[in-house]
Amino acid sequence: DVVMTQSPLSLPVTLGQPASISCRSSQGLVYSDGNIYLSWFHQRPGQSPRRLIYKVSYRDSGVPERFSGSGSGTDFTLKISRVEADDVGVYYCMQGTHWPPYTFGQGTKLEIK
Amino acid sequence: EVQLVESGGGLVQPGRSLRLSCTGSGFNFGDFGMSWFRQAPGKGLEWLGLIRNNVYGGTPDYAASVKDRFTFSRDDSNRVAYLQMNSLKTEDTAIYYCARDIRLQVDYWGPGTLVAVST
Repeated sequence: DVVMTQSPLSLPVTLGQPASISCRSSQGLVYSDGNIYLSWFHQRPGQSPRRLIYKVSYRDSGVPERFSGSGSGTDFTLKISRVEADDVGVYYCMQGTHWPPYTFGQGTKLEIK
Repeated sequence: EVQLVESGGGLVQPGRSLRLSCTGSGFNFGDFGMSWFRQAPGKGLEWLGLIRNNVYGGTPDYAASVKDRFTFSRDDSNRVAYLQMNSLKTEDTAIYYCARDIRLQVDYWGPGTLVAVST
């Protein structure tokens, strides 16, 4: 199985400041159709995951422009340009390229300083 | 609006069985696969498997960790997907989620249902 490794695992951020989360895969994530099936999810405390980004850099409907995804090969990044209070929770990257199975990073817990 | 709602969770003794349901609305249920995930207390997300839509035969795929005990099925006429869990173990204690599967990706998730396996 493809191993997804996130860093950092804990991310204290001051309101209004940027934040960045890294996700590395143990294998390249380019699928045979040329797409990279790498998604980012946000899970607030007590809630289910919500998808923010799919195929590396496409924002889901309703996701603020503050969120952006980038990357290629085995290195991917989720960036929040200016952190708001509502952004607290755990962020997960997930790969689907080498499904089955879907595999996730360990999660990065974002908190407000 | 796409919605998924899981039900059927609860407290169950080790070795017993439980069936979870996932009811969808706001989209053409039969056109999509459904993946199942779980999250043990304080832990990360684990994929359990998928049941494909009928275009792809409605066939299941299972994670190795649950392959011999869990079974997926679906009833498109009632917009429901099922997860049958047998021979439950204490380590199966988790929140169970269904999520709409769109081939190598999942998008919408339900709120989850808690399964607690304990004596």
